[in-house]
Amino acid sequence: GQQVMQIPQYQHVQEGEDFTTYCNSSTTLSNIQWYKQRPGGHPVFLIQLVKSGEVKKQKRLTFQFGEAKKNSSLHITATQTTDVGTYFCAGRSSNTGKLIFGQGTTLQVKP
Amino acid sequence: NAGVTQTPKFQVLKTGQSMTLQCAQDMNHEYMSWYRQDPGMGLRLIHYSVGAGITDQGEVPNGYNVSRSTTEDFPLRLLSAAPSQTSVYFCASNQQGSTEAFFGQGTRLTVV
Repeated sequence: GQQVMQIPQYQHVQEGEDFTTYCNSSTTLSNIQWYKQRPGGHPVFLIQLVKSGEVKKQKRLTFQFGEAKKNSSLHITATQTTDVGTYFCAGRSSNTGKLIFGQGTTLQVKP
Repeated sequence: NAGVTQTPKFQVLKTGQSMTLQCAQDMNHEYMSWYRQDPGMGLRLIHYSVGAGITDQGEVPNGYNVSRSTTEDFPLRLLSAAPSQTSVYFCASNQQGSTEAFFGQGTRLTVV
């Protein structure tokens, strides 16, 4: 079945440093979504990528979708303490509509 | 709008007990899903539904039952709780097609 792998599992950075998390799917995805979960909270939608090679930016966050639509990345420039949380990628199956999540990357930012 | 509402927020069960986690959404979304979240495992899909009367299994369905008699409600049933079902459970909903999922606040379940 469809699997979505995400690395790294944890990342500790100093405030101001950059951060990147990577997502790889075992199958071609119709789209990929990214979510953020603050400690003790629930996942909140950040963005969706649909097109091959697509790049989207949200302020300091840059999202990329691979050419083969099987991988994606999230890059945060100059991290801030407000970026703390767990970032999940999720791939939606074009056949079933199921949304399968990666294991998530937990980001800690030292002030 | 309330969005996605889950009850209860916290629950402690004894092994072998049964219970139902409630999930309701008021956004008229066709798709609803249940996930469990465990440390290092991310969010794993338990069951999902693409509309009233239609349910299907996700990645980890064993030990859980669901039904979807209305568009709004998607309860998750544990028939005989086991310690391995200790987890945080999230319900999510989204409109048909490839759109963002809205999550409930979660239910933290402990089985002793």
